[in-house]
Amino acid sequence: SQELEQSPQSLIVQEGKNLTINCTSSKTLYGLYWYKQKYGEGLIFLMMLQKGGEEKSHEKITAKLDEKKQQSSLHITASQPSHAGIYLCGAGDNAGNMLTFGGGTRLMVKP
Amino acid sequence: DTAVSQTPKYLVTQMGNDKSIKCEQNLGHDTMYWYKQDSKKFLKIMFSYNNKELIINETVPNRFSPKSPDKAHLNLHINSLELGDSAVYFCASSRSGFNPGELFFGEGSRLTVL
Repeated sequence: SQELEQSPQSLIVQEGKNLTINCTSSKTLYGLYWYKQKYGEGLIFLMMLQKGGEEKSHEKITAKLDEKKQQSSLHITASQPSHAGIYLCGAGDNAGNMLTFGGGTRLMVKP
Repeated sequence: DTAVSQTPKYLVTQMGNDKSIKCEQNLGHDTMYWYKQDSKKFLKIMFSYNNKELIINETVPNRFSPKSPDKAHLNLHINSLELGDSAVYFCASSRSGFNPGELFFGEGSRLTVL
């Protein structure tokens, strides 16, 4: 089965700093999804990447997909306390079903 | 209106009991899912239903039985609860089960088995 490994597992940054979260797949990626989970709440969809080299941005969050390396990165510019939460990457299998999530990256932003 | 709603939000029960968690989506989506998030925050797919048909069942014990009376509802019934069943269970929905795109998640149901 497909496995997604996220790094780092946790991250504490000072407000205003930039940060990057990585997601590496053990198998070929057929679509890569980024979600954010606030503590004690459900998951909120951030972005979906489907093509190699694709890059998407939403406010201060940018995600890229490197299909050859089977990796995706999520970059947050000028972090704010509102960015705190757990970031999870998810990937579909070759049948097009979304099955697997990474272990998550816990982000804390210190004011 | 909440897009994907789950009840109850919290559930505390004894080992051996049977319990159910209900999920409803008002988005008109064709596919619904149940995910389990353990204490380490690992999120794993349990079931997926597309238009009331089961399309995924990921090595979940048969004590867990999903029931979908219609495409807007996917309930999870758990028999003979065990300590290891303690987790947060998330319901989700998507427009279709193939290349599902964005999944909409409920807020989760925290199950504690004593």
